[in-house]
Amino acid sequence: AQTVTQSQPEMSVQEAETVTLSCTYDTSESNYYLFWYKQPPSRQMILVIRQEAYKQQNATENRFSVNFQKAAKSFSLKISDSQLGDTAMYFCALRNTNAGKSTFGDGTTLTVKP
Amino acid sequence: EPEVTQTPSHQVTQMGQEVILRCVPISNHLYFYWYRQILGQKVEFLVSFYNNEISEKSEIFDDQFSVERPDGSNFTLKIRSTKLEDSAMYFCASSEDRAGVTPFGPGTRLTVT
Repeated sequence: AQTVTQSQPEMSVQEAETVTLSCTYDTSESNYYLFWYKQPPSRQMILVIRQEAYKQQNATENRFSVNFQKAAKSFSLKISDSQLGDTAMYFCALRNTNAGKSTFGDGTTLTVKP
Repeated sequence: EPEVTQTPSHQVTQMGQEVILRCVPISNHLYFYWYRQILGQKVEFLVSFYNNEISEKSEIFDDQFSVERPDGSNFTLKIRSTKLEDSAMYFCASSEDRAGVTPFGPGTRLTVT
């Protein structure tokens, strides 16, 4: 079984500041993907960034980057230069490459304050 | 860029009624998924579908649920006799292969009264 844990139900950050959202996971598989999804009030699931477990280099996507620590099974999301539009729920997800389905964490509600 | 589409965006139904939620996956994708998100909770896997059969399903996906790919484009989720607790957002996703990225559709909000 695979599990994903997000220990921060809510976080806030001032506009233009940097914030880090935490995620830990557990899986017995060696090949897997990790994802961060953004869910705004519209409730659409928007892929923010993904990381292949076999890659040591941390993924980056503009203002979004991850800190992937495979041995510690940790996958945190850093948002730089936070913008008001970043206010949303953020979900961490794990997908084993031979399983197909994704397992999600409980989510972190991020509020960016002006 | 190709997208997964879902219809309707919002469905209201009475308890005990049957509902069919529709999805059009990305055209060259072979793996299809349904997820559910009860308001305020996490996204939960329901079922995966490949080669015209269910490849995996969760405990949530009981006999009241069924999936079908009736033609070359649509992928449907049917709930036979809806219950109040079926009220949720239902997301469809698809992927080219088991390891590929799975874009999510915009979701269907199901409200059971």
